[in-house]
Amino acid sequence: DIQMTQSPSTLSASVGDRVTITCRASQSISSWLAWYQQKPGKAPKLLIYKASSLESGVPSRFSGSGSGTEFTLTISSLQPDDFATYYCQQYNSYWGWTFGQGTKVEIK
Amino acid sequence: EVQLVESGGGLVQPGGSLRLSCAASGFTFSSYWMHWVRQAPGKGLVWVSRINSDGSSTSYADSVKGRFTISRDNAKNTLYLQMNSLRAEDTAVYYCARTLEATPMEYWGQGTLVTVSS
Repeated sequence: DIQMTQSPSTLSASVGDRVTITCRASQSISSWLAWYQQKPGKAPKLLIYKASSLESGVPSRFSGSGSGTEFTLTISSLQPDDFATYYCQQYNSYWGWTFGQGTKVEIK
Repeated sequence: EVQLVESGGGLVQPGGSLRLSCAASGFTFSSYWMHWVRQAPGKGLVWVSRINSDGSSTSYADSVKGRFTISRDNAKNTLYLQMNSLRAEDTAVYYCARTLEATPMEYWGQGTLVTVSS
């Protein structure tokens, strides 16, 4: 099974900061990686798919990069609405769908 | 508008059973793979199970294999999760979500809470 490891687990940042979250896969997943945002009591929301493609309607301050085993989610200028928990996920019909453990972005 | 609405959650004793449903609308249900994802209180997202578009292929997380059964009724646009031999560690909000064969989960339901406790 493919394992997904995110870092950090918690991140304290201020409005306007540039934020980067890392996700590592236990084996190469090409670009089969998505990023989700989840707020308390709500379902996750898809932000990025295929490692770097922005989902329709998602602000351009969100970007994704990487391939193989190492990926990053970057928020270029953190906004008040961005304080949430972020999850990476590998998706592939052969390997299945596996989430990282999550990164909580908190107000500094 | 795509809608996924889960139901069937509740309080159940350890060893008991529960069947969750996910009613789909706003899209051609029979064209999509469907998944169940759960989230224990204060914890992260965990993929539970998936079923392909015609129901001929299923897959499960090791933690639920042999206890949970995913199924679908394409005529009723409904996804199911039959949960047997429930344990305290199955306590979670259960979400349904749709994908194609190799796509991320772009639509999710609002979730239904399952609590396993005596």
